[in-house]
Amino acid sequence: AQSVTQLGSHVSVSEGALVLLRCNYSSSVPPYLFWYVQYPNQGLQLLLKYTTGATLVKGINGFEAEFKKSETSFHLTKPSAHMSDAAEYFCAVSVTGGYQKVTFGTGTKLQVIP
Amino acid sequence: GAGVSQTPSNKVTEKGKYVELRCDPISGHTALYWYRQSLGQGPEFLIYFQGTGAADDSGLPNDRFFAVRPEGSVSTLKIQRTERGDSAVYLCASSLNPPGVGNEQFFGPGTRLTVL
Repeated sequence: AQSVTQLGSHVSVSEGALVLLRCNYSSSVPPYLFWYVQYPNQGLQLLLKYTTGATLVKGINGFEAEFKKSETSFHLTKPSAHMSDAAEYFCAVSVTGGYQKVTFGTGTKLQVIP
Repeated sequence: GAGVSQTPSNKVTEKGKYVELRCDPISGHTALYWYRQSLGQGPEFLIYFQGTGAADDSGLPNDRFFAVRPEGSVSTLKIQRTERGDSAVYLCASSLNPPGVGNEQFFGPGTRLTVL
């Protein structure tokens, strides 16, 4: 079975400050890991994904995440928050196999304070 | 169209009624997924189609839920005898064939279902 835990349902940062959204996963086999962003009344959009290879993954809008197997973590970071980053962020995991059955975390709402 | 579309965007129904939710995937995407997102939760997998067939329906909560994709493109999620607990946002996603692990799923905006 696979699962993800997102620490903190709400995170507030000041504009220009570091963004850190935490995600820990559980998987019995090597996982594929994803971060999605959801803006109000919009569909989920893929920010970045880790499949194999380099453990530091860069995504869109200046976000990046590092896969740390020893810590079973895949935290999302951005050096400097922008007002447009305010949204809900979901960490997700799928396992190797014939297709992508994705398990999502419960989400973290990011508030950016001017 | 350019992206995944879902209709209606909002659906309000009464307990016990039947509803149909439609998903139009991105042209050329043979893999199609349905998810349900309850308030304060992440999306929860319901069913996966590869072409016309449901390859994995293990996420459907009970036999009141059914989905079809007769021509391998548009899909309809059908809910019979709706209950208040069915209220949620129903999301559809599609991806390229082969739907290998790691292939991006493109999500539609969802249908918000409210059962009174």
